[in-house]
Amino acid sequence: KAGVTQTPRYLIKTRGQQVTLSCSPISGHRSVSWYQQTPGQGLQFLFEYFSETQRNKGNFPGRFSGRQFSNSRSEMNVSTLELGDSALYLCASRGRGDTDTQYFGPGTRLTVL
Amino acid sequence: GESVGLHLPTLSVQEGDNSIINCAYSNSASDYFIWYKQESGKGPQFIIDIRSNMDKRQGQRVTVLLNKTVKHLSLQIAATQPGDSAVYFCAEHQGNTPLVFGKGTRLSVIA
Repeated sequence: KAGVTQTPRYLIKTRGQQVTLSCSPISGHRSVSWYQQTPGQGLQFLFEYFSETQRNKGNFPGRFSGRQFSNSRSEMNVSTLELGDSALYLCASRGRGDTDTQYFGPGTRLTVL
Repeated sequence: GESVGLHLPTLSVQEGDNSIINCAYSNSASDYFIWYKQESGKGPQFIIDIRSNMDKRQGQRVTVLLNKTVKHLSLQIAATQPGDSAVYFCAEHQGNTPLVFGKGTRLSVIA
């Protein structure tokens, strides 16, 4: 069974631009969560989608948004990029039960110049 | 590779020795705990999990211990190998809420 895939793997943008990141969950998984990982803050939860609905949201500004499609693929968007948005963005999917393990993708490394 | 955490606690162990990585969690209502391993340039990889109705669980070369009284979780790796070098994260979870991750511990295996 293929794992979680994320595209692109690396991205370089400039301040003020916007970016869209994509995540394909493990086949059959309906929950997709997004995390931001930085050296200073560690792994921080952005949001979770389940069956195309946002189920949980972390403490990030409205510039960070996401969506999920009917095939469970998810995208996240960051608008008006700031230098501090440079991070590794990780996507994780999990199966049916709420306590099922989350499996992570390799991440998208975003650099904002 | 990228740096996962510049100021993480570091544990250095000799190859072949056992490693113990500790984690203090915050929510006494958490009912599910996971250990992840993250190697440079990769996403976190599931190692082992434990539910709050257990205090010990064993996998291949790994054991997780849960002490709910003091809200403490530990990961024991037997016969540590160079390939075990990575950053290890614990994560806690309650019901439908998101996973909350610890800051991580860097394990360095000395050959």
